[in-house]
Amino acid sequence: QKEVEQNSGPLSVPEGAIASLNCTYSDRGSQSFFWYRQYSGKSPELIMSIYSNGDKEDGRFTAQLNKASQYVSLLIRDSQPSDSATYLCAVNSYGNKLVFGAGTILRVKS
Amino acid sequence: SAVISQKPSRDICQRGTSLTIQCQVDSQVTMMFWYRQQPGQSLTLIATANQGSEATYESGFVIDKFPISRPNLTFSTLTVSNMSPEDSSIYLCSVEDREGVNIQYFGAGTRLSVL
Repeated sequence: QKEVEQNSGPLSVPEGAIASLNCTYSDRGSQSFFWYRQYSGKSPELIMSIYSNGDKEDGRFTAQLNKASQYVSLLIRDSQPSDSATYLCAVNSYGNKLVFGAGTILRVKS
Repeated sequence: SAVISQKPSRDICQRGTSLTIQCQVDSQVTMMFWYRQQPGQSLTLIATANQGSEATYESGFVIDKFPISRPNLTFSTLTVSNMSPEDSSIYLCSVEDREGVNIQYFGAGTRLSVL
């Protein structure tokens, strides 16, 4: 069974703080990793993709990948109330398919 | 990224009826996917739809319940057949970006309620 696991939260951080979201996966053959943001009542929106071990930065977002530990994380710096959403970790499985985690609810308090 | 139009955006249906959801993309794409998101849950893949071949269904989903058409590289439909209240969910189509690696972009979704 291919699984992607996330802490469901909610994760509460004050405005301006760093939010750290974590994800583990079970399929060692996975090569592509994604973070999606989903606002309530909306569809998932891609915010980060990462394919190699290490860090990838895009604005206030940093994705971190450690394939040996089967671990992916997303850091959000200078968190804003508009970052409050559910963050979905997705991992490719069997080629083109994606397996999604259950999502972590992030709440940024002003 | 591709622009994806999905309709209807929402519908309320009676038990035993069927609903067809349409997904239109503004560019040709090879891979299209249909997902279900039940209330408070994450996304579950229903099937992968490739143009010119039958859809590939995931465990727990069958063609008789969720028939899919993919007549060309920009369009697909998902039908939810013989609906029951348990089919009340958000149904999402996604496409794989031809320039990316496994990157998928989603339509706005169809919110279905079955009475």
